[in-house]
Amino acid sequence: AQTVTQSQPEMSVQEAETVTLSCTYDTSESNYYLFWYKQPPSRQMILVIRQEAYKQQNATENRFSVNFQKAAKSFSLKISDSQLGDTAMYFCAFMKFQGGSEKLVFGKGTKLTVNP
Amino acid sequence: GAVVSQHPSRVICKSGTSVKIECRSLDFQATTMFWYRQFPKKSLMLMATSNEGSKATYEQGVEKDKFLINHASLTLSTLTVTSAHPEDSSFYICSAGGTRTAENYGYTFGSGTRLTVV
Repeated sequence: AQTVTQSQPEMSVQEAETVTLSCTYDTSESNYYLFWYKQPPSRQMILVIRQEAYKQQNATENRFSVNFQKAAKSFSLKISDSQLGDTAMYFCAFMKFQGGSEKLVFGKGTKLTVNP
Repeated sequence: GAVVSQHPSRVICKSGTSVKIECRSLDFQATTMFWYRQFPKKSLMLMATSNEGSKATYEQGVEKDKFLINHASLTLSTLTVTSAHPEDSSFYICSAGGTRTAENYGYTFGSGTRLTVV
């Protein structure tokens, strides 16, 4: 079974600075997707960034980028120029191909607070 | 982009009654829908997976007779909490996935339903 571990329950960063959230996972699959989701106080789950395991290039989305280390099974999220609106729970998630009903396996989350 | 509408956003019901939560995909066909439960300050716990036109697959430990899931069309799935009790109070979230295209990976989530059983 796949597992996703987020070792940082809480983190804080000053506005405009950079912060990195850690995520490791365990799987025997070779083909899979990794995701970072954001859940602000509204509790709406928002997809931040997605990485396909077969792609070596790290995904980027504006101020968000990942460091995907497949051999190490590591998938960290870097947030540059942090903004107050980035304050949220961040969940790392894994998905394998499973015959059309792919499940997301979530980590326990990291609560990020951006301070003014 | 893909939008999933979940209703109601909040519901309070009396112990012993049933509550239905709806999840609709507004601009795509959701062949698969997932239902999650989230406790305060915790991660999402998958309850069940439903595919349109077939019975839902429940995760271990989830009572299928208490949490009835129906996925009768490609745009609507419902979760009914039957004979609700205070311990069923929680935040319930649905997510939907369409055809297997790259754009649909990373499922779209509903806005969630806060259920309070009194």
